[in-house]
Amino acid sequence: GAGVSQSPRYKVAKRGQDVALRCDPISGHVSLFWYQQALGQGPEFLTYFQNEAQLDKSGLPSDRFFAERPEGSVSTLKIQRTQQEDSAVYLCASSRGSGLAGSDEQFFGPGTRLTVL
Amino acid sequence: AQSVTQLDSQVPVFEEAPVELRCNYSSSVSVYLFWYVQYPNQGLQLLLKYLSGSTLVESINGFEAEFNKSQTSFHLRKPSVHISDTAEYFCAVIGNTGGFKTIFGAGTRLFVKA
Repeated sequence: GAGVSQSPRYKVAKRGQDVALRCDPISGHVSLFWYQQALGQGPEFLTYFQNEAQLDKSGLPSDRFFAERPEGSVSTLKIQRTQQEDSAVYLCASSRGSGLAGSDEQFFGPGTRLTVL
Repeated sequence: AQSVTQLDSQVPVFEEAPVELRCNYSSSVSVYLFWYVQYPNQGLQLLLKYLSGSTLVESINGFEAEFNKSQTSFHLRKPSVHISDTAEYFCAVIGNTGGFKTIFGAGTRLFVKA
């Protein structure tokens, strides 16, 4: 497929467990974004990568959240010691450009729905 | 920093009627503006965007939005809606000074009734 894929699509975790969410962007896309979408809300920015460089992580809510994109392609969002307030849909998006990253269309994946019990 | 306000959480409308989904933003710098749409059981996809130039932008399926700098608005309109336009619509903004943080509104659910 040519779109952005995310896995798993659904994840149930017990409070205190660590989780890892995977994003496969569109091949060749330089930019990669992670968002958190709570029920009934719009996506909230978490972090941005340009190739393997994490240029903005200002949206990560706590030091329990960590993202990486070591080879500039696949990205993983890790949440340590999950809490109930982490329950949300986590969206990944990729876009082509880098110089004017904000102007490019972002292509979104289907999201991972995380439920923390 | 930027913020986005979508004034209506839900908009019910009859088929073939006109619709306007409102979006206001605030920003200390110039911005790019976007409307994204999420159809039932699908991911977010771009509907249209304003970067520069003409303040009226159009999508391929009949939606249009007008950038109004003085009113800091980017309302989305369609003169005649179809059942298939039922979806959630998100307005988004990003500063055009090289930043990467896209700010989304809370969304407006458009429900088109027969």
